[in-house]
Amino acid sequence: NSKVIQTPRYLVKGQGQKAKMRCIPEKGHPVVFWYQQNKNNEFKFLINFQNQEVLQQIDMTEKRFSAECPSNSPCSLEIQSSEAGDSALYLCASSLSRASQNTLYFGAGTRLSVL
Amino acid sequence: AQSVTQPDARVTVSEGASLQLRCKYSYSGTPYLFWYVQYPRQGLQLLLKYYSGDPVVQGVNGFEAEFIKSNSSFHLRKASVHWSDSAVYFCAVRENSNNRIFFGDGTQLVVKP
Repeated sequence: NSKVIQTPRYLVKGQGQKAKMRCIPEKGHPVVFWYQQNKNNEFKFLINFQNQEVLQQIDMTEKRFSAECPSNSPCSLEIQSSEAGDSALYLCASSLSRASQNTLYFGAGTRLSVL
Repeated sequence: AQSVTQPDARVTVSEGASLQLRCKYSYSGTPYLFWYVQYPRQGLQLLLKYYSGDPVVQGVNGFEAEFIKSNSSFHLRKASVHWSDSAVYFCAVRENSNNRIFFGDGTQLVVKP
């Protein structure tokens, strides 16, 4: 079973509010991913890190989200100004390395509802 | 471009019956393939993965999948399903270049008692 811990499980925000969620990757996993899963089960890659360094992020993440993975602290993903379209399940995953054969282990997710 | 297609949005089977969930991928390099399961209100759990060797891979809870390169397929199978297998199943491919993972749209499995 995955040991990726995500908090909170549920988050309710009004439009324009900040929404922040956290992720503790599995111990010893330096690579962390954030994905957004919408109600149609479509996954959107948001950003990934190796240790504290951003490896890749999409445009949306660069503009409206801020994310970090500080050393010795949980990783976080924050939406600066929530929009209705941001309502989704946000999944954090960690991996032993960037090598493709390594599995991504997912947390239970943070379900964000933007009213 | 890489993509994953799961042609069946929903599959209904009776408990004890055999199961096949279909997955086809499009990827130019060596594919690293995964099946995940998502139970209601939970995250994704790994069922099995393939990246080399025997094309039939065994996973948890009696699941297996077969990589058929000529068909670009990685179908998931189980000999006898249980009601607790009801969930959404996702096929995924992980690419080499930037190690992102791409998911299919999922197949909702309903196991009838």
